Parts: sequence; C-alpha cells; structure tokens
Amino acid sequence: AQKVTQAQTEISVVEKEDVTLDCVYETRDTTYYLFWYKQPPSGELVFLIRRNSFDEQNEISGRYSWNFQKSTSSFNFTITASQVVDSAVYFCALSGGVYGGATNKLIFGTGTLLAVQP
Amino acid sequence: EAQVTQNPRYLITVTGKKLTVTCSQNMNHEYMSWYRQDPGLGLRQIYYSMNVEVTDKGDVPEGYKVSRKEKRNFPLILESPSPNQTSLYFCASSLRQPAFQYFGPGTRLTVT
Repeated sequence: AQKVTQAQTEISVVEKEDVTLDCVYETRDTTYYLFWYKQPPSGELVFLIRRNSFDEQNEISGRYSWNFQKSTSSFNFTITASQVVDSAVYFCALSGGVYGGATNKLIFGTGTLLAVQP
Repeated sequence: EAQVTQNPRYLITVTGKKLTVTCSQNMNHEYMSWYRQDPGLGLRQIYYSMNVEVTDKGDVPEGYKVSRKEKRNFPLILESPSPNQTSLYFCASSLRQPAFQYFGPGTRLTVT
C-alpha cells in the first residue's frame, strides 16, 4: 500500500533554531515522486519541492534543505535558522505509483504544524 | 498568468441545500482533481478527471459529483450537503499525471 507518515504532529521552536520535519513513505513502485508543500495560516498550498525516485541528491534552497534516502524510505526537510514566517503546516506527499492506485493522485501525510516563536 | 481558480472561496450553507464549487484552469491541462483537507487526515482525493468526459472516483467520493464538459472546468457538486462535508477543498490540475499539479487557492465550506 502507498502511504506517507509524518509522525511529528506539532513542533515548536524558537526563532533561529534549526528544525527537521520527518517524512517516511511506503511504496512498492520503483518510479515515484515525492513532494513537500507549505500551508501558511492563509490556507493555500505552496509547492516547495518535487523529487523523483531516481534522484537521490540532496537539495538546498536558501534556508531549506531536503534529505532523500531511499534506503530508509525517508524524505526529510530541514529549515535552518528558522523564522516566524516559517510557521505553517507542512505536508509531505507521494505520487506516481502504479501499485495501490497512486498513479492518479497525490497521497499526503497528515502534516506537521511548525510554530516558530519569536 | 497560469492559475487554477476556485469559487467561492468561502461558503456557509445548511444541510441539504445543493451547492456547486467551481474550478477553472487556464493552462489547457488534461488532468484535474479535487481533494478535501481535514484535521489529522491530510488531503484526500475525492474525484479526478483525465480529460473531457472522463472522470473517476478517488478515495472519498461519497456525497460528491463532478462533471467535465469542458477541458478548463471541473465543478464539484454536493447534491445534499451534510455537516461531515465541512472541510477545506482544493482543486488541482496538471498536463498529464498528478506529479506536476497546480493547486487552486482552496474553498472553505461549512455545512450547518
């Protein structure tokens, strides 16, 4: 079965701390995509990154970085020197699998609420 | 500007009163989809469409209908809304598979 687990329901940090959001996925497919979305209090979904299963290179974008490890089926997201504007719900998602019917949809985790205190 | 639009953005209604949430995209995308977001459950797919007149159920289709008469539009219809359909709804579109989806801004629906 296709599944995405975000075990951290809520995380609270103080500004300038580093924080890592965990994402563990399950799939039988060899070709798939992984995503991170940010949902600020205004409610819209903001696309952060898409990674295909053949690209295990870690990625850095400013204060954001992503660690993709197929060996542990994880796609973790780190925010360095967090800021109050990073406060949001963050979703990890999986797509593209043939098994379990994930070809036509994104399978989302339950989200992690990040609160950055000033 | 490439975008997915949804209307209305906010809606409060009563049980049993039929409603339609519209979704429109200006990118000539073939694939469109509806999701609902509920606390503790993340987003779940309601219905999707791979092209005009081609629709199929997602994970939580009960109580919803969709139609795809034109490529750009994919309305979500609640024939007889119930309080358990109170949720945040997102429409999405992509050229082909959902791995490249654009999301609309969301519609917050409250059914009393």
